[in-house]
Order: sequence, then structure tokens, then C-alpha cells
Amino acid sequence: GAVVSQHPSRVICKSGTSVKIECRSLDFQATTMFWYRQFPKKSLMLMATSNEGSKATYEQGVEKDKFLINHASLTLSTLTVTSAHPEDSSFYICSAGQGPETQYFGPGTRLLVL
Amino acid sequence: QKEVEQNSGPLSVPEGAIASLNCTYSDRVSQSFFWYRQYSGKSPELIMSIYSNGDKEDGRFTAQLNKASQYVSLLIRDSQPSDSATYLCAVKYSGAGSYQLTFGKGTKLSVIP
Repeated sequence: GAVVSQHPSRVICKSGTSVKIECRSLDFQATTMFWYRQFPKKSLMLMATSNEGSKATYEQGVEKDKFLINHASLTLSTLTVTSAHPEDSSFYICSAGQGPETQYFGPGTRLLVL
Repeated sequence: QKEVEQNSGPLSVPEGAIASLNCTYSDRVSQSFFWYRQYSGKSPELIMSIYSNGDKEDGRFTAQLNKASQYVSLLIRDSQPSDSATYLCAVKYSGAGSYQLTFGKGTKLSVIP
């Protein structure tokens, strides 16, 4: 299968700071990437769809000014959590579309906001 | 609203038995269906995709699709303790953007040695 990487894998930050998470498709080009959030023992929640060269499409209830998404190239999408607060602590997972409508997931980034 | 329903479990099976995971979806015209496995603390991993009615086999895994009943299942033969994980059913609904999937909440499988 296709390989998707994320960096960092884990980050701890102070409340009020911003955190950038990178998602890369390593061996394929992805015009579409997705950002999910998952709280402990809960299901995946789609936050936004990231389209190369255009604005991201956010799901209802997700603040676009707080979760900034940039998809500047066919292999890289970034999610920036601005002015992070403890309630933003979660497992953030990206995925990229490749082949016949298949999504491949990155390994995830665990964010802890103190 | 498009929905994907799964029994949250946990589903417990003894080692060596067949584990049967079920999923129903709400949109009759959906054409693409996927099963992902997620270990605790890890991201989902694609196991199977299925697009047409019937069975699709890959090693110990068999995906079954019945579009008339809007039902997709995953069978795991000779279950191993390493199969213990949460299994996510995902559906691409008609009209959704490219690659956009709707996920069920997952079924937690526990294989007892």
C-alpha cells in the first residue's frame, strides 16, 4: 500500500501556543488529503478535506481559523492548531487518497496541551 | 444523513475461531466499501476493499457485500490474538468528494488465547 508519514509523532506544548503537523505522501501524489481527530476510545472524526492548490473544506463545527490547513504541494499538507488549549489535546491523523478511492492513513500525531 | 452502523462490541472469540464483523450503510447507491483495522493508540490500516456483490478473499480475511441489503461484513478465519483491534467499516457515498469516506464507529474485537 501507499505510505503516508506524519511529523511530529508526538508533541507537548503550552496552552496558547501554535502547533504545526505535517502530512506527507511518500511514494505517490495526493491531490486530496484528509485530517481527522480521535479522542480516547472514540471514533474518527473528520475535521477537513485538504485539496492541493485550493482552500480546505471544513466539517461542520470545526473552526477554520483555529485549525489552519495548507496543501501547498501534491505530497504535503499541514495542519496548524493555533492558540492551542487543553481541550485540543487529541490524536490527529491524516490520510491521503490514492488509487481507486482508497484512503491511506498516516501514523498519527498525539498532541498534549498543558 | 449518510450513516454507517457497526456494533461497537466488544466481540470476543476464541483463538482459531471465525470472527464475523458486520456493517450496514444507509445509501443504496454507494459503490465502494472498505475495512480498516486500528490497534489501540495507532492509526487505521486498510485491510480490504470491495466494490461488487459477493465475496472477496485475501488470506484469512473475507469481505462480503450485499448491496440489496445494504450490508457489508468481514470474516476473519483462524482468529489470532494479534487480530485483537477495532475494525472500522468505511463507505464512499455517491456524490461525496474524491476519496471521502464515511466511517462507522468501529467494532472492538478481542481474540482470547
